[in-house]
Amino acid sequence: AQKVTQTQTSISVMEKTTVTMDCVYETQDSSYFLFWYKQTASGEIVFLIRQDSYKKENATVGHYSLNFQKPKSSIGLIITATQIEDSAVYFCAMRERQSSNTDKVVFGTGTRLQVSP
Amino acid sequence: ETAVFQTPNYHVTQVGNEVSFNCKQTLGHDTMYWYKQDSKKLLKIMFSYNNKQLIVNETVPRRFSPQSSDKAHLNLRIKSVEPEDSAVYLCASSWDWGIEQYFGPGTRLTVL
Repeated sequence: AQKVTQTQTSISVMEKTTVTMDCVYETQDSSYFLFWYKQTASGEIVFLIRQDSYKKENATVGHYSLNFQKPKSSIGLIITATQIEDSAVYFCAMRERQSSNTDKVVFGTGTRLQVSP
Repeated sequence: ETAVFQTPNYHVTQVGNEVSFNCKQTLGHDTMYWYKQDSKKLLKIMFSYNNKQLIVNETVPRRFSPQSSDKAHLNLRIKSVEPEDSAVYLCASSWDWGIEQYFGPGTRLTVL
């Protein structure tokens, strides 16, 4: 069965430092997509970054980057030069392409990041 | 800039009532979704829908049903609400099935 696990429930860091959030997944499929989303205190959920399973290069968008370790079924999110406004809950998600050409989406339980000045 | 709109923002009702939540997206996407987020922030997909197919999460009770008039709208109807339905319901959309999703602001449902 498809599964996404985020073991870190909460992380606290100082502003301008680098933080890594862990995520491991389970899948039977050879083709899948991995995503990270951010949910702010207002409840808004925003897409951050995506990794396609067939790509070897780690995705990077702005000060977000991924550490994709396929043999370990791991997709860590790295935020460099953290800012106060990065404080939020971060969700890892996976999408598999099903045989019926539809998708199945599973989200992790989230990691709360607190960035302090 | 909001492109996935949900109404209402909040809804309080009593057990057994019927409720309906609306979702509209202006992104031109062809796939829409409904999620339930509980008090522990757990996000669970309820429905995935495009003009070809409706995918229902098998754990969703039958009292929940999606309703779509066109690819820009996907409403959620709950026929007879129960206390465990209290949650935030989030609508999302995407291009095709396997691509990143854009979320609406959510509708918070409280069942008394």
